[in-house]
Amino acid sequence: SQQGEEDPQALSIQEGENATMNCSYKTSINNLQWYRQNSGRGLVHLILIRSNEREKHSGRLRVTLDTSKKSSSLLITASRAADTASYFCATLSPNSGGSNYKLTFGKGTLLTVNP
Amino acid sequence: NAGVTQTPKFQVLKTGQSMTLQCAQDMNHEYMSWYRQDPGMGLRLIHYSVGAGITDQGEVPNGYNVSRSTTEDFPLRLLSAAPSQTSVYFCASSYSSGVETQYFGPGTRLLVL
Repeated sequence: SQQGEEDPQALSIQEGENATMNCSYKTSINNLQWYRQNSGRGLVHLILIRSNEREKHSGRLRVTLDTSKKSSSLLITASRAADTASYFCATLSPNSGGSNYKLTFGKGTLLTVNP
Repeated sequence: NAGVTQTPKFQVLKTGQSMTLQCAQDMNHEYMSWYRQDPGMGLRLIHYSVGAGITDQGEVPNGYNVSRSTTEDFPLRLLSAAPSQTSVYFCASSYSSGVETQYFGPGTRLLVL
């Protein structure tokens, strides 16, 4: 079953506006990562936030993590048409045997930024 | 560095055929994994490997085999292709056991008729 669930499934905004995507998960995690996927391409890592961190910034990206609510949000400020893509959260947690870790992806949010 | 490479980019198979999807990385990463991506389903982990000679099952391993004889290569074998295996397959790698950033290949689009 999916560990992370993004919300909304799709988001359409105008260039220059901010875009916020949310991710909820079910079990305890080591870290949470956000990835971007342009249409027909592979995933590109955006940002990683560890379970003991609450907020992280990278350029126009701001990620928050609330482990008590098991949720994270990704904020893209001053969006551009080139930000149009699908965005996935992925949670890292121990596998069932406890000896290794697994990275579990959500279903993604499709962001469309209109010029 | 080429990063993570996958071949072929696109493949059409008939039901029952077998094939191998190739994945290679030149970053000396220990951890490699295979995902499939289906519409509305996100990415689901098929198999992963924490180093040469060590593999383990992910969320949806049935119908797939893997082996890891070298650090660089992690091929995914479809034993007897079924239409349900029509999907886009992504290989990924990272320096250590999945704890860090995953680097993804460009994907292989597979159609099983």
